[in-house]
Amino acid sequence: DTEVTQTPKHLVMGMTNKKSLKCEQHMGHRAMYWYKQKAKKPPELMFVYSYEKLSINESVPSRFSPECPNSSLLNLHLHALQPEDSALYLCASSLRANYGYTFGSGTRLTVV
Amino acid sequence: KQEVTQIPAALSVPEGENLVLNCSFTDSAIYNLQWFRQDPGKGLTSLLLIQSSQREQTSGRLNASLDKSSGRSTLYIAASQPGDSATYLCAVYPNAGGTSYGKLTFGQGTILTVHP
Repeated sequence: DTEVTQTPKHLVMGMTNKKSLKCEQHMGHRAMYWYKQKAKKPPELMFVYSYEKLSINESVPSRFSPECPNSSLLNLHLHALQPEDSALYLCASSLRANYGYTFGSGTRLTVV
Repeated sequence: KQEVTQIPAALSVPEGENLVLNCSFTDSAIYNLQWFRQDPGKGLTSLLLIQSSQREQTSGRLNASLDKSSGRSTLYIAASQPGDSATYLCAVYPNAGGTSYGKLTFGQGTILTVHP
């Protein structure tokens, strides 16, 4: 298995909702990442997990809450989002931090 | 702060042409460099990863070179096809240590259109 799987592929949520994005890999990678991408822009790093520990938080608002329950799974919990949070959310993994990223296909999030 | 620039921003060519996409970075103290392809609304697909000790990588019709001292990388696409149409992103990895370890810096991308 050489893939990073993200679910759901599309999500529409209201500003008062709570939802979660899920990311899974079975490549034995020990670093996992969340990126946010707005239209026609490159991806922007949100969080880095290395060996299941949060190592980088790029000053992301607390309405985004990451969780890494085990080495194969990464979640992003969403609460009280704003319309400007609508974007493509990408998960990635790598064997170790700073080495050869593999990206998932993303979750298209729309906040209404 | 590392800055990555990709030239050209957009490129439209007829099928069969050989192409060169350029990527430059301001801080030459990088670890690896990776080229990605992104189709509209999709995730990033890794094309080539050039590791710190390498100067070049090849995969099929793709060849990427890296010159750290001059802060440049080039992606060469041979015999382009309509299926190559996508946005191409280069990304640089910081050197080991420091608070940026593991944080990719992306260029703005080159939008490639290959028409039949």
